[in-house]
Amino acid sequence: GENVGLHLPTLSVQEGDNSIINCAYSNSASDYFIWYKQESGKGPQFIIDIRSNMDKRQGQRVTVLLNKTVKHLSLQIAATQPGDSAVYFCAEVPTGGGNKLTFGTGTQLKVEL
Amino acid sequence: KAGVTQTPRYLIKTRGQQVTLSCSPISGHRSVSWYQQTPGQGLQFLFEYFSETQRNKGNFPGRFSGRQFSNSRSEMNVSTLELGDSALYLCASRSQGAQETQYFGPGTRLLVL
Repeated sequence: GENVGLHLPTLSVQEGDNSIINCAYSNSASDYFIWYKQESGKGPQFIIDIRSNMDKRQGQRVTVLLNKTVKHLSLQIAATQPGDSAVYFCAEVPTGGGNKLTFGTGTQLKVEL
Repeated sequence: KAGVTQTPRYLIKTRGQQVTLSCSPISGHRSVSWYQQTPGQGLQFLFEYFSETQRNKGNFPGRFSGRQFSNSRSEMNVSTLELGDSALYLCASRSQGAQETQYFGPGTRLLVL
């Protein structure tokens, strides 16, 4: 896939367990963060987003946590399923919006049956 | 609504040639951004277009250019192709609403021989 050369960190979980994927961001001025999921051969798919004035946001089976003090973002996936296997990217949006997303290197999630 | 579409999906070119990639955004979306994804560099922002104007640009050489048409469709062009231009080129569109999420197309995989 597109990310093999980056030596992506890999998280292996058992089906049904919860997954936690972490991301450190660099720009303290970023005011909006997005998690994307990318399956092999496909473009990134939006999962969930969070604004900098929040520290937690929940979606369907997913929760994003934001710690601005240490510039850390995490994605929690509950009851992980085989279909969750993919590369997960966090992306930050600079203050003022715009479309210049800065992506992290990504984490490969492998769900074992 | 149909998602972001990109054509062609796959392309093989030789060094020195030029290539044009096309992107049709989600209906109603006026902002289109382009990204390059490679194993070595990950996902990198190329440029953003809104209302036929380039609004933001990443750190790529002038061989990479783009344009947007009045119907919001966008094209990007790479001239004098180099081996290192082999990548997955992703297009993303965004509405003008408060939700700033970008939605990605499936990408065009370019191989330069």
